[in-house]
Order: sequence, then C-alpha cells, then structure tokens
Amino acid sequence: DSGVTQTPKHLITATGQRVTLRCSPRSGDLSVYWYQQSLDQGLQFLIQYYNGEERAKGNILERFSAQQFPDLHSELNLSSLELGDSALYFCASSVSGGLAFFGQGTRLTVV
Amino acid sequence: AQSVTQLGSHVSVSEGALVLLRCNYSSSVPPYLFWYVQYPNQGLQLLLKYTTGATLVKGINGFEAEFKKSETSFHLTKPSAHMSDAAEYFCAVSRGGAAGNKLTFGGGTRVLVKP
Repeated sequence: DSGVTQTPKHLITATGQRVTLRCSPRSGDLSVYWYQQSLDQGLQFLIQYYNGEERAKGNILERFSAQQFPDLHSELNLSSLELGDSALYFCASSVSGGLAFFGQGTRLTVV
Repeated sequence: AQSVTQLGSHVSVSEGALVLLRCNYSSSVPPYLFWYVQYPNQGLQLLLKYTTGATLVKGINGFEAEFKKSETSFHLTKPSAHMSDAAEYFCAVSRGGAAGNKLTFGGGTRVLVKP
C-alpha cells in the first residue's frame, strides 16, 4: 500500500459527460501529480500541484482541469468526455521534489 | 526535454534465466532515473531509483540497475527470473530536486516468464 488513495477505482460514463476523480496523497506529501495511461499514448504526465498551486503542466487537454484543496487532496475534472479519454488515471504524491508514490488508479471507460 | 526509450515492448524469459530490460534516456541535466513495475490491474510500484552516488542500484525483489552516463543507459537486470516477475516494467526519468519530480516514462516492457 503506497498510502495514496484514489476514488473511484472504476468509472463508466457516456460521451459528453463530466466526471471527477479524487486523490488523497500520503500524509505529509505536498505535491500531487496526475498521469494518464492509455494503450496508444502510454503513461503521460498531465499536471502537478504543490501545496495548492499548479506547479507544472504536461499534455493535459483543455477539457481537463485539476485542483488541490487546502487539505491537500486533489481532484481531476474531465469534461465533454470522448471515447479516446478512456484510460487509467493515476495520482502520485511526493514531499516537495522527492520520490513519487502512486495510487492504484481510476479506470475510466467512456461508452 | 527529456525522453526515455525502452527497447523491446515484450520480453519472454524462462524461469531461472536472466532478466534484462533495456532503458536509454536523454536529459539535458543530470537525471534521476527510476524503474517501476505494474502488475495486472495494479498501480505502479517502485523497484529502484538512481539519484546520485553509486551507479549500481539495488532494488526490491532481487532487481538491480546500473546507471551508465557515457551510454545514457539504465538497464534493469535480475539474475534469475521467477514466475511472479511477470508484469510490465517502466523506466522513467525526472529532473528531480528543485526542478520537481515530473516523470517521463518509457513505453514499457511486458515480461512473460515461461515455466
């Protein structure tokens, strides 16, 4: 158990819908990272938050957004969903720039 | 920009044989290097990491990797494969330190262990 908790584990939704993925980092970790794992794109970095502020941005679509709350949990919002958004979404956390620990992921299926 | 190339998307080894997974990276700054393993329907688990210091890094489950700056490589090895090693393995690089820990992953290598 990495200590990073992601909910839900599985999500099935229709095209055009909006979903929210939640991540609770390890106790004491200030950084949260979101990654997307898909068959065609592999593992890609989406976005990083550090202590509530956006720190780095990767290949995140404009339809996607994230935030980190004062209690340090983070949410990834995916809107206007398309079939191609079906993927495994991972959250990872770390202390400042240190080693990242990954959650079990949320498997999103868009039908 | 950083990038990671893993040679071979699939590797098949016999139980008890050497496991060798190849990883080459490119980085404009001294890299931090990682190997992660992903078992079916699981998250990513860290096997080992290189940040600074000794270039031969030992990890969990009998795996080790050697950082070779001149070859820009960080190959993963295990002397004797076990059935439980069947999984997908990812090499990753980050700039680390104050630059943050955004990971750039290779495409992954799926390992099949034959009895």
